[in-house]
Amino acid sequence: KQEVTQIPAALSVPEGENLVLNCSFTDSAIYNLQWFRQDPGKGLTSLLLIQSSQREQTSGRLNASLDKSSGRSTLYIAASQPGDSATYLCAVSAGNQFYFGTGTSLTVIP
Amino acid sequence: DAGVIQSPRHEVTEMGQEVTLRCKPISGHNSLFWYRQTMMRGLELLIYFNNNVPIDDSGMPEDRFSAKMPNASFSTLKIQPSEPRDSAVYFCASTLRGGVSNQPQHFGDGTRLSIL
Repeated sequence: KQEVTQIPAALSVPEGENLVLNCSFTDSAIYNLQWFRQDPGKGLTSLLLIQSSQREQTSGRLNASLDKSSGRSTLYIAASQPGDSATYLCAVSAGNQFYFGTGTSLTVIP
Repeated sequence: DAGVIQSPRHEVTEMGQEVTLRCKPISGHNSLFWYRQTMMRGLELLIYFNNNVPIDDSGMPEDRFSAKMPNASFSTLKIQPSEPRDSAVYFCASTLRGGVSNQPQHFGDGTRLSIL
């Protein structure tokens, strides 16, 4: 069974800092990997989706990379802002299943 | 542009009662997913539908759980009888044109279920 791990579980950074969130998965046979953001009491908002044939995707200050062979993905956030404070989850799609990590709780301090 | 709409937002009920959660996917989306989120187990896919047909229900924990999608704009997740361990946040999500493999999912705000 696919296992998805996110490290660290929590991260606190000062505003303006660049940061990297990590996601690792145990089985490289995936269709895609998605990064989500979850605000308290809300559902998940899709940030970036990387197909298995792709190496990275970018949207504004966000850049996600995928290395299938090593079972790793990173989410890079440039020039962090207090509004970026949320829980970030990664999910891999394999077969008919989505497997989610437990998330990284990010706090950006003004 | 309305997103995925779930109701109720909160439900508190006593053990043994029937619980029905509702979801309206984004118009035009043909895949719908039900998830459960708990602190212990994180997010788990319970079941997903493609064109109103259940494709994979292997995540449904027990026979007490059932899900239906009578048409493209409505789905229900039912728990009967409910138990305290069913307490969680239940999310519905939908995607455009296809199943699990190739489209970003759009989530509702969830139903926070508490079984006393």
